[in-house]
Amino acid sequence: AQSVTQLDSQVPVFEEAPVELRCNYSSSVSVYLFWYVQYPNQGLQLLLKYLSGSTLVESINGFEAEFNKSQTSFHLRKPSVHISDTAEYFCAVSDRNFNKFYFGSGTKLNVKP
Amino acid sequence: GAVVSQHPSWVICKSGTSVKIECRSLDFQATTMFWYRQFPKQSLMLMATSNEGSKATYEQGVEKDKFLINHASLTLSTLTVTSAHPEDSSFYICSARFPGQGLAFFGQGTRLTVV
Repeated sequence: AQSVTQLDSQVPVFEEAPVELRCNYSSSVSVYLFWYVQYPNQGLQLLLKYLSGSTLVESINGFEAEFNKSQTSFHLRKPSVHISDTAEYFCAVSDRNFNKFYFGSGTKLNVKP
Repeated sequence: GAVVSQHPSWVICKSGTSVKIECRSLDFQATTMFWYRQFPKQSLMLMATSNEGSKATYEQGVEKDKFLINHASLTLSTLTVTSAHPEDSSFYICSARFPGQGLAFFGQGTRLTVV
């Protein structure tokens, strides 16, 4: 089985500051890793994913995440956040058959002006 | 990305009644769909895996007679909350697995309030 830990339930940050949202996972098998974003009263949107290849993956809106196998981490980073990045972010893993997705408890990113 | 539509986006029902939530994959065929429940300030909890043409697979602790899942076609899965109670009030989200890639795309969710 897999599990995902997001230690930070809330992260307040000022606009244009850098941010890192932490994600650690545990699994006895190889996994795929994902970050999803949820805006208020909406479903989840895929932000970025790691399936194979380069361990650094990027999204179209400036977020990036790096898969670190030795530390079993997949932290999400952005060098300069905007007010519009305010949302809840979920880290997720699945086995390589995509049979199930396991989600972390989420991190609320609150960007202040 | 692929589009998954969930309907309704919110619903209020009386205690004891049943509510049906639809999940449609609009531009792809999904043999597998997933239903999640999200409590306030918590993460998504997988309720069941819905497979087209066969019975759903429920996670431990989820009452299959209370949460009826039907995946009658490759683009539609439905979740029916039967004899709803206030404790069933929650945010329900479906996802559909994109064929080949295996990625899951999520619907916008349904806010159910049972009064």
